[in-house]
Amino acid sequence: SQQGEEDPQALSIQEGENATMNCSYKTSINNLQWYRQNSGRGLVHLILIRSNEREKHSGRLRVTLDTSKKSSSLLITASRAADTASYFCATGPGNTDKLIFGTGTRLQVFP
Amino acid sequence: DAGITQSPRHKVTETGTPVTLRCHQTENHRYMYWYRQDPGHGLRLIHYSYGVKDTDKGEVSDGYSVSRSKTEDFLLTLESATSSQTSVYFCAISEGGTIAGELFFGEGSRLTVL
Repeated sequence: SQQGEEDPQALSIQEGENATMNCSYKTSINNLQWYRQNSGRGLVHLILIRSNEREKHSGRLRVTLDTSKKSSSLLITASRAADTASYFCATGPGNTDKLIFGTGTRLQVFP
Repeated sequence: DAGITQSPRHKVTETGTPVTLRCHQTENHRYMYWYRQDPGHGLRLIHYSYGVKDTDKGEVSDGYSVSRSKTEDFLLTLESATSSQTSVYFCAISEGGTIAGELFFGEGSRLTVL
């Protein structure tokens, strides 16, 4: 079964708006990562947040992590058409070298 | 960009035939992974390797085998392909360790089993 579940499954917004995606997971983790996938391409790493961190920023990206609720959110501010992609959270459960991915959120940003 | 090459990029085959997908890296990373991606399921881990000749199963390993005889190559074999193995297969690499780190992905291999 999937470790991470993203919500919503799909999201459509206008350029300039903010996009928020959520991820819930089931077991304790060492870190949580977010990836982007453009249509027909491989996944690209965006950001990693460790279990002892609560918030992390990278450019227009802001990630939060709430280990008590086993959830994370990815905020993309001032979205651009080029942000159109699928976004996946991935978790490293416990003392494991495996990364388990969620089902993803499809983001569509209209010009 | 991480040096990861998957081959073939596209393959159509018939049920019951063997298929081998190859992942080649130029990064000398210790860890290599094979995932499959299907609509509604996201990415699911098939097998991974943490060193030459060291492999372990993922969550959907049935019907698949892997081999890693060199650091740079990780092969995924479907001994007898079935239609349920129609999917897009992604190889990924990481420097690895006891805690999962950042993965670098290849461009994917689209397999169709008729």
